[in-house]
Amino acid sequence: ETGVTQSPTHLIKTRGQQVTLRCSSQSGHNTVSWYQQALGQGPQFIFQYYREEENGRGNFPPRFSGLQFPNYSSELNVNALELDDSALYLCASSEGQGGPTNEKLFFGSGTQLSVL
Amino acid sequence: QKEVEQDPGPLSVPEGAIVSLNCTYSNSAFQYFMWYRQYSRKGPELLMYTYSSGNKEDGRFTAQVDKSSKYISLFIRDSQPSDSATYLCAMTVGGYSTLTFGKGTMLLVSP
Repeated sequence: ETGVTQSPTHLIKTRGQQVTLRCSSQSGHNTVSWYQQALGQGPQFIFQYYREEENGRGNFPPRFSGLQFPNYSSELNVNALELDDSALYLCASSEGQGGPTNEKLFFGSGTQLSVL
Repeated sequence: QKEVEQDPGPLSVPEGAIVSLNCTYSNSAFQYFMWYRQYSRKGPELLMYTYSSGNKEDGRFTAQVDKSSKYISLFIRDSQPSDSATYLCAMTVGGYSTLTFGKGTMLLVSP
């Protein structure tokens, strides 16, 4: 077990709706990253938060947004859902920023989002 | 050309076989290399983490990095049915940057 928990495990939404996914990082890990994994693909980086500030973003539109809270929890929000947003959304935490340990990501089990 | 290339498989082997999984990459700035194992409906689990070229061994697993050829490998000795999973290579330039993953190789080890 990585100590990273995500909720819900599964979610079904319709196109145009909004969704919030939640993550609780491993205690002491002040960096959280969110990844999208489409079926048969590797995880794609969405964004990263360090001490409640976004400090990196992948090639995702602004309708993907996030928050990180002081208690090691975080959220991923997606507005105006599209069919292509159907994927496994993974939260990962790591110990720090800027050092080698930042590359050791510990993933949760993910939230499987289906958009109909 | 994708930054990281990985054969999706599936790769089917009998129990006890030596397994070789590979990735190639195009970005010479990558410095840190990882292998993750992902079981069905689970998140990736960090298996191996290497920085320099050469070999790193951990139990039945050996990670190999050849920066000059931009090629990394993961070897699994005495493979077990419980090793059946998707293996993802990942790499980063380090520091503030994030991970770039391969597509993953599905491995099936039959009893």
